[in-house]
Amino acid sequence: QVQLQESGPGLVKPSETLSVTCTVSGASMSHNYWSWIRQAPGGGLEWIGHIHNSGTTTYSPSLKSRVTISLETWRNQFSLRLSSVTAADTAVYFCARTVLSTGPLLDHWGQGTVVTVSS
Amino acid sequence: DIQMTQSPSSLSASVGDRVTITCRASQSIASYLNWYQQKPGKAPRFLIYAASSLQSGVPSKFSGGGFGTDFTLIINDVQPEDFATYYCQQSYSPPYSFGQGTKLEMK
Repeated sequence: QVQLQESGPGLVKPSETLSVTCTVSGASMSHNYWSWIRQAPGGGLEWIGHIHNSGTTTYSPSLKSRVTISLETWRNQFSLRLSSVTAADTAVYFCARTVLSTGPLLDHWGQGTVVTVSS
Repeated sequence: DIQMTQSPSSLSASVGDRVTITCRASQSIASYLNWYQQKPGKAPRFLIYAASSLQSGVPSKFSGGGFGTDFTLIINDVQPEDFATYYCQQSYSPPYSFGQGTKLEMK
């Protein structure tokens, strides 16, 4: 079955770059979109962006200047980089497989990785 | 950006109850509306897409409806495993925003 697993640094210092990777198993990376979503402590879900297997990306405007999502299909992985982080970027970061139907649908999720921004 | 507003923010119910959660979009999104269930410390689970279509494996006690700006999620015969937070999300245009969530608690 489709499984996704995030891995990240746990702790990032303010102004540095956060990098999180998602490893995919049980699904081809060639025919889908791949998304990142985050959830601040005690908060709701925030869509960050997605990447298509062609390399086309779409980002949330509120994060666009700081976000890069990339795909490494040969490793069955995709990654999120978020630059110039502040405490407001502290969150659980989820990756999700995304299928295109009535818009992009987040049908399989990873368990999430906690990233804390603190000096 | 499209704003999604859920009501109520929290809801108390007893086992066996029928509950309704409402989601409103700030502009028309046709039927591009999805629902997710999240339990504490877990990833969201995809329940419903296109406003009313059940994802594979989701029990028929869950149902959704609506079109345009107003949508509902109904849970029939609430069981202990249904107590969770429910989120709506629009997939009409980016950024694909979520509602703030509705926490279903046991009465």
